[in-house]
Amino acid sequence: EAQVTQNPRYLITVTGKKLTVTCSQNMNHEYMSWYRQDPGLGLRQIYYSMNVEVTDKGDVPEGYKVSRKEKRNFPLILESPSPNQTSLYFCASSFEYHDLGYGGYTFGSGTRLTVV
Amino acid sequence: TQLLEQSPQFLSIQEGENLTVYCNSSSVFSSLQWYRQEPGEGPVLLVTVVTGGEVKKLKRLTFQFGDARKDSSLHITAAQPGDTGLYLCAGVTVTGTYKYIFGTGTRLKVLA
Repeated sequence: EAQVTQNPRYLITVTGKKLTVTCSQNMNHEYMSWYRQDPGLGLRQIYYSMNVEVTDKGDVPEGYKVSRKEKRNFPLILESPSPNQTSLYFCASSFEYHDLGYGGYTFGSGTRLTVV
Repeated sequence: TQLLEQSPQFLSIQEGENLTVYCNSSSVFSSLQWYRQEPGEGPVLLVTVVTGGEVKKLKRLTFQFGDARKDSSLHITAAQPGDTGLYLCAGVTVTGTYKYIFGTGTRLKVLA
């Protein structure tokens, strides 16, 4: 089944404790992206990757890191989480960037992160 | 700057009623898409409309792209509780750099 898999689904952590949210897709998609979704603010892009070893900042990159060492994986790293990073996070992929307007994204099921 | 405004923001209706959700912009889009996000899940793409004036039907859902490609609507006939969720429009503007933008969202609740 074609899918984007995120782990974990739920995570409660303390301020400053480094964490990684994993994301893997099995569709050979080139373009991958991380979003956070907050009430009243909608979906905001954190980072994206056009292909292996090519990543760039989205609209809200502060406090996050990403890497794209393999085509299928795109982990999101929070080096020192803070309470304002409490949110619902989504990983998403598309065949290629310019395919978004036609094929759209395939999203993961989300990771609900709480930082206390 | 939010380029895709959706209305209404919230909608609570009884099963069997009809409803329309709007997605509006002052910018021209090369295409517009609609996603549905159910509670606890990621958004799922429902449809893509590409041509101005285009109408697409997906069972009880009817999607329309405005003639000027600046707006879109989603009409649901005889809503069911399974239609409950967050509806998001998204698209790519034709002006400036290629940027994929999500709308502000419409949260629909259909009561049995």
